[in-house]
Amino acid sequence: DQQVKQNSPSLSVQEGRISILNCDYTNSMFDYFLWYKKYPAEGPTFLISISSIKDKNEDGRFTVFLNKSAKHLSLHIVPSQPGDSAVYFCAASEAGGTSYGKLTFGQGTILTVHP
Amino acid sequence: KAGVTQTPRYLIKTRGQQVTLSCSPISGHRSVSWYQQTPGQGLQFLFEYFSETQRNKGNFPGRFSGRQFSNSRSEMNVSTLELGDSALYLCASTAGSSYNEQFFGPGTRLTVL
Repeated sequence: DQQVKQNSPSLSVQEGRISILNCDYTNSMFDYFLWYKKYPAEGPTFLISISSIKDKNEDGRFTVFLNKSAKHLSLHIVPSQPGDSAVYFCAASEAGGTSYGKLTFGQGTILTVHP
Repeated sequence: KAGVTQTPRYLIKTRGQQVTLSCSPISGHRSVSWYQQTPGQGLQFLFEYFSETQRNKGNFPGRFSGRQFSNSRSEMNVSTLELGDSALYLCASTAGSSYNEQFFGPGTRLTVL
């Protein structure tokens, strides 16, 4: 039962263009969402997050959009740079005592940005 | 501020052995979570510790255990290793409240032969 899904295993984008990474979730108890970037042989690096009370959060070149009714979120990277090439994970957490410290991750999307 | 550190970075064990992995969180962080990453299952939550108490546990067998010390450092132990335990084991720390981002260490790559 995969509660967080990233349906695109890979995405290829030209440098300078927009990268859009998508994520769907099924658990309506999720109320906080995060994006992480991961390079080989390193741990995931936190990028940006969004609470369910918002529908958009921006940080520099990164913007996350949340559509609660569709249970869908997306990460936009503008402009894309070759250094953005990595695996991107979407993650979600529930509020409440039974969910302490637990993030539920998607399977990841490999982003390749071509010069 | 130093990041999350994990030791050792690489480990090779044989079936039936046990292993202990260590994690030192970011200074001031009191919550440590552990995850297992495999190609087939992705990143899966093992357990979380806060102030030396396990507050949450994922769906892993009892062979997987952990503990946290008074300085917030954490260890996880896997007993009676199986081939399927080969994975990247990641720990992450956070200050402990509900909506804090988790910061990950580089992981320990465990290979079971």
